[in-house]
Amino acid sequence: SAVISQKPSRDICQRGTSLTIQCQVDSQVTMMFWYRQQPGQSLTLIATANQGSEATYESGFVIDKFPISRPNLTFSTLTVSNLSPEDSSIYLCSVGGGTAQPQHFGDGTRLSIL
Amino acid sequence: TQLLEQSPQFLSIQEGENLTVYCNSSSVFSSLQWYRQEPGEGPVLLVTVVTGGEVKKLKRLTFQFGDARKDSSLHITAAQPGDTGLYLCAGHTNAGKSTFGDGTTLTVKP
Repeated sequence: SAVISQKPSRDICQRGTSLTIQCQVDSQVTMMFWYRQQPGQSLTLIATANQGSEATYESGFVIDKFPISRPNLTFSTLTVSNLSPEDSSIYLCSVGGGTAQPQHFGDGTRLSIL
Repeated sequence: TQLLEQSPQFLSIQEGENLTVYCNSSSVFSSLQWYRQEPGEGPVLLVTVVTGGEVKKLKRLTFQFGDARKDSSLHITAAQPGDTGLYLCAGHTNAGKSTFGDGTTLTVKP
């Protein structure tokens, strides 16, 4: 199974600033996803990070707020821009998925906004 | 939008008790997976079920996929404090996306 390293594990940021989260996988993967999760709750898909093209965003999420990069098949970044208290959450990257294929997750980034 | 309803949302039991978590949808999934997540970590896969009516056992955990592939259940026998965590079901479609259930927070008291 893929090993995913996600950084930072946690951060505390000021309002109006931005935070970039990195996701590194130990093997080449086709599909990478970014999720948001409130503690103890389910996962909400933000976007699918596509290698070599623009990310595919889910309803309610826009590129200006959550720009994503996917420069190669092992790496992706998610930036949360113009931070507000509502952005306080856990952000998770994952790889895999599809019919009968499990998803593997990073340990998440816990973001708090002052 | 495909929705997965998970119940109960919270469950607090004593060590040694049995429990069942349910995952229901009106949609058909090509496969369904169960994950467990502990604080500070990402979800970890427990099992994948693919065939309608399939039953899989993982030690004290029994997973069942409904005949119509719209629902699933997770049964834990003789729960232990180490079973404490957030349990998530996730349905997969052939399009490659996962739909996650609402989650069940399980607390097993010693």
